[in-house]
Amino acid sequence: QVTLRESGPALVKPTQTLTLACTFSGFSLSTSGMCVSWIRQPPGKALEWLARIDWDDDKYYNTSLKTRLTISKDTSKNQVVLTMTNMDRVDTATYYCARVIGPQTGHDYWGQGILVTVSS
Amino acid sequence: DIQMTQSPSSLSASVGDRVTVTCRASQSISSYLNWYQQRPRKAPKLLIYAASSLQSGVPSRFSGSRSGTDFTLTISSLQPEDFATYYCQQSYSIPYTFGQGTKLEIK
Repeated sequence: QVTLRESGPALVKPTQTLTLACTFSGFSLSTSGMCVSWIRQPPGKALEWLARIDWDDDKYYNTSLKTRLTISKDTSKNQVVLTMTNMDRVDTATYYCARVIGPQTGHDYWGQGILVTVSS
Repeated sequence: DIQMTQSPSSLSASVGDRVTVTCRASQSISSYLNWYQQRPRKAPKLLIYAASSLQSGVPSRFSGSRSGTDFTLTISSLQPEDFATYYCQQSYSIPYTFGQGTKLEIK
């Protein structure tokens, strides 16, 4: 059974760095073809893809956010971590992690999401 | 970045209706197009991948098709649980991009 769960702070202040963890089970990120993405959704708005890390440690980022994002994995802990620097109120959103098998398929399993509010 | 344009942005329909949602890519994405359903306060759920392949466990009333850079999600007979927001997403190239969503409401 595949599960993913996001964890991290619910509230961050402007200019702070956000660190989110995605802890998963039911698959290994060392298996060829396995990838994990981070996707966010501001309240009432559309989904926005942020970053992806692959089984071979390749990393990919949203074009407009790439200077602020870092994605990493700890295969032994079954965890993927996303950091986003210089948080702003417009970064208030629900952040999801999701699995994708093979980089050109859909995200088949998603975490429940974590709402992060940026406010002073 | 590849732009994905969905239409309509909202749609009212009745149980039993046949509905279609369209997504247009700004350039060729072959068949690397996925459809998701999102119910309120829930994570998205993958319905269709590779333009027309039904994800395991998804009812057969959902189907997808492609014509060039135009993609269509069809629900053959709406059920009460289908009233939700639908998103397309291209997986042809990085960065992945989503459409702006289509909200399907009860008439």
